[in-house]
Amino acid sequence: QKEVEQNSGPLSVPEGAIASLNCTYSDRGSQSFFWYRQYSGKSPELIMSIYSNGDKEDGRFTAQLNKASQYVSLLIRDSQPSDSATYLCAVTNAGNNRKLIWGLGTSLAVNP
Amino acid sequence: EAQVTQNPRYLITVTGKKLTVTCSQNMNHEYMSWYRQDPGLGLRQIYYSMNVEVTDKGDVPEGYKVSRKEKRNFPLILESPSPNQTSLYFCASSFSVGTITFFGQGTRLTVV
Repeated sequence: QKEVEQNSGPLSVPEGAIASLNCTYSDRGSQSFFWYRQYSGKSPELIMSIYSNGDKEDGRFTAQLNKASQYVSLLIRDSQPSDSATYLCAVTNAGNNRKLIWGLGTSLAVNP
Repeated sequence: EAQVTQNPRYLITVTGKKLTVTCSQNMNHEYMSWYRQDPGLGLRQIYYSMNVEVTDKGDVPEGYKVSRKEKRNFPLILESPSPNQTSLYFCASSFSVGTITFFGQGTRLTVV
């Protein structure tokens, strides 16, 4: 059973701090990795995608991928109360299937 | 505007009364899928479609039907809804399997 694991949280950080969200996956052949943000009762929306080892930065968000250790992380700098949401990690299944496998999400609360 | 549109947004129905949730995308995506999201269980794929007239079961297909007669539309049909199908449903589309996925606004279904 291929899995994507995330700490459910809640992760609580003060406004302006760095929030660090982590995700581990079991399928060593996974090639594509995504972070989605989901506000309560709303649909998931893409924050970042990453495909190769290392860091990828987009504004206040940085995705980090380490395929050898099978983890992908999301850093949110200068966290704002509007960042309070659940963050979902999604990883593609290796092989012909390539379907997305979803983590259960980490709840983030940014306190003013 | 590129989007996935699903209707209705909210639906309360009675056990056994057939219903259809519509989904349409305007991005010419080949891959479409339906998810349900329940507390503690995350996003679970119900059915997916690789292209027109090609559909297949996801992880939780029991009690659901789909069709893909046109590329843009992918309706979800509940022939005889039961209370355990009370959930938040999302339609999603992507260029191909395992690529960046766009979600509809969600349909909150209650079966009494």
